[in-house]
Amino acid sequence: DGGITQSPKYLFRKEGQNVTLSCEQNLNHDAMYWYRQDPGQGLRLIYYSQIVNDFQKGDIAEGYSVSREKKESFPLTVTSAQKNPTAFYLCASSIRTGSGKNIQYFGAGTRLSVL
Amino acid sequence: QKEVEQDPGPLSVPEGAIVSLNCTYSNSAFQYFMWYRQYSRKGPELLMYTYSSGNKEDGRFTAQVDKSSKYISLFIRDSQPSDSATYLCAMSASGGSYIPTFGRGTSLIVHP
Repeated sequence: DGGITQSPKYLFRKEGQNVTLSCEQNLNHDAMYWYRQDPGQGLRLIYYSQIVNDFQKGDIAEGYSVSREKKESFPLTVTSAQKNPTAFYLCASSIRTGSGKNIQYFGAGTRLSVL
Repeated sequence: QKEVEQDPGPLSVPEGAIVSLNCTYSNSAFQYFMWYRQYSRKGPELLMYTYSSGNKEDGRFTAQVDKSSKYISLFIRDSQPSDSATYLCAMSASGGSYIPTFGRGTSLIVHP
């Protein structure tokens, strides 16, 4: 089955700790994205990558880091600099086209809480 | 003013009702319009997408785009309790990074 796999489903972070959220896709999509979702705030873009070995900051990149060493994988690290990391994190992927069509498909999400 | 406005609800309807969910937007460059359904604690699931203006139907769901009014709608016929979820609209332009802009979502509750 093709899709986007996020792991773990639940994650707990201690003060001062970095944690990494995994995102893997087997849809052969070029672009991948990380969003943060807080109650009542909709989706906020953290980072995105349109090709391997390249990524750009989104609207709320501070306190987060990413890498894109393989087309299938786009892990997100929540660093200790992110002071309010408790949220639902969503990974998405899409095929880029020249026309502007950018239909994103999402993983099931990772819920991060602070201990 | 936000680029995409969506009433957060909740919208509560009886089973069998016709539901109308709406978004307004300000960017006239938006060409692709998507609707996602998100159940509690799950990732958004793509329901439908349309290009430019017009209607698109898929089973009980109809998506409508009115570019002149910068207004999009999702209609759900014969609503079921299983339709209870948050519905997110999203739209993307034909230039730039093509990253969709999302509405905040409307919470729908269909009660038996």
